[in-house]
Amino acid sequence: QAGLTQPPSVSKDLRQTATLTCTGNSDNVGSKGAAWLQQHQGHPPKLLSYRNNTRPSGISERFSASRSGNTASLTITGLQPEDEADYYCSTWDSSLSAVVFGGGTKLTVL
Amino acid sequence: EVQLVESGGGLVQLGGSLRLSCTASGFTFSDHYMEWVRQAPGKGLEWLGRSRNKANSYSIEYAASVKGRCTISRDDSKNSLYLNLNSLKIEDTAVYYCASATVGDRSAFDFWGLGTMVTVSS
Repeated sequence: QAGLTQPPSVSKDLRQTATLTCTGNSDNVGSKGAAWLQQHQGHPPKLLSYRNNTRPSGISERFSASRSGNTASLTITGLQPEDEADYYCSTWDSSLSAVVFGGGTKLTVL
Repeated sequence: EVQLVESGGGLVQLGGSLRLSCTASGFTFSDHYMEWVRQAPGKGLEWLGRSRNKANSYSIEYAASVKGRCTISRDDSKNSLYLNLNSLKIEDTAVYYCASATVGDRSAFDFWGLGTMVTVSS
């Protein structure tokens, strides 16, 4: 099934800002936005943001989400070593009647 | 504290079947959409399907990739979610997670189990 498109990898320096993107179409991101998940190696994913940049309790304000057209973005400010992880976007696709994930972006903090 | 605990994984035969369970605690299970997601070794997340909540008649949705081989069910009296997958293929080898969807956004999964590993072997 068609998924969402994320760059496979992004590298940024410590304390800098990273912006991760997630591109879909009008059936998914364009109409529903996207949720963002963080996954460290060997651990289950953790929800970072959903529905118009709502952060679950305990998620740092350094993580913020936005959307423009069919592309959703996750911006991480003041990068820390612990931000090094895989990041996934997800949303509902109305044409597929399915939840779709992006392929994930591996963020490296240099 | 919310907890989701998957069980039932292990080594299974090619062409065989598996039944996974997910037991939930710490929240009102019947209020939530419950999801199955898997992750093949070194790969990304793949949604398998969901059971909607009682208010939505427990309706089920499946991903196209497993439709016809997969059955999802739940028992709210046991706070449990189940996944049956048959005609197993090598590519079904993965960590299988159950997750709960947020009330505000059903495509956002706020709680996850630790997962259970399934290895399909010939």
